[in-house]
Amino acid sequence: ETGVTQTPRHLVMGMTNKKSLKCEQHLGHNAMYWYKQSAKKPLELMFVYNFKEQTENNSVPSRFSPECPNSSHLFLHLHTLQPEDSALYLCASSQEEQENIQYFGAGTRLSVL
Amino acid sequence: AQSVAQPEDQVNVAEGNPLTVKCTYSVSGNPYLFWYVQYPNRGLQFLLKYITGDNLVKGSYGFEAEFNKSQTSFHLKKPSALVSDSALYFCAVRAFDTGRRALTFGSGTRLQVQP
Repeated sequence: ETGVTQTPRHLVMGMTNKKSLKCEQHLGHNAMYWYKQSAKKPLELMFVYNFKEQTENNSVPSRFSPECPNSSHLFLHLHTLQPEDSALYLCASSQEEQENIQYFGAGTRLSVL
Repeated sequence: AQSVAQPEDQVNVAEGNPLTVKCTYSVSGNPYLFWYVQYPNRGLQFLLKYITGDNLVKGSYGFEAEFNKSQTSFHLKKPSALVSDSALYFCAVRAFDTGRRALTFGSGTRLQVQP
């Protein structure tokens, strides 16, 4: 185990649903990340939080809404998603944003119907 | 802008043979370079990194990578492949001292090691 836990592991939702993805890290890190992984495409960075402050939003549509209540927890709130949003969503953490050895969770496999 | 290219979607190699997974990058200034590996149903795991110093970097599980500044490459290598090395490999880059601080990842190369 990497010390980064993501729940749920699988999620199926309709386009009108609202759901949330959760990420928790037990490593004492201060930076947390959301990535989108689609087949045969580069890993897409979505959001970065450093010491609970959002430092990067990589032009992500507003139907994805992140929340970082503390340095150990990161959420991704989802609403009115599109089928093309189906992907593996990965959470990662690192000691600081500048420290680029990131530790990844196993991901949430999201299917939007 | 920074970018990474992994020109091969898949690399096939027989167990015991040497393997190479290719990566080229583009970044302003000096690069930080990384390799990560992803096993089925798992997140990415750090393998090795280059920041400065020796161009040949050694990492986990017997992997190594060679930084070539003139060719802007950072190919991953292993002298003798194992079946258990079969996985998805990602190269990543960020600028050492300028520009975007976050990592930029390649699209991944699937390594298949046949027994």
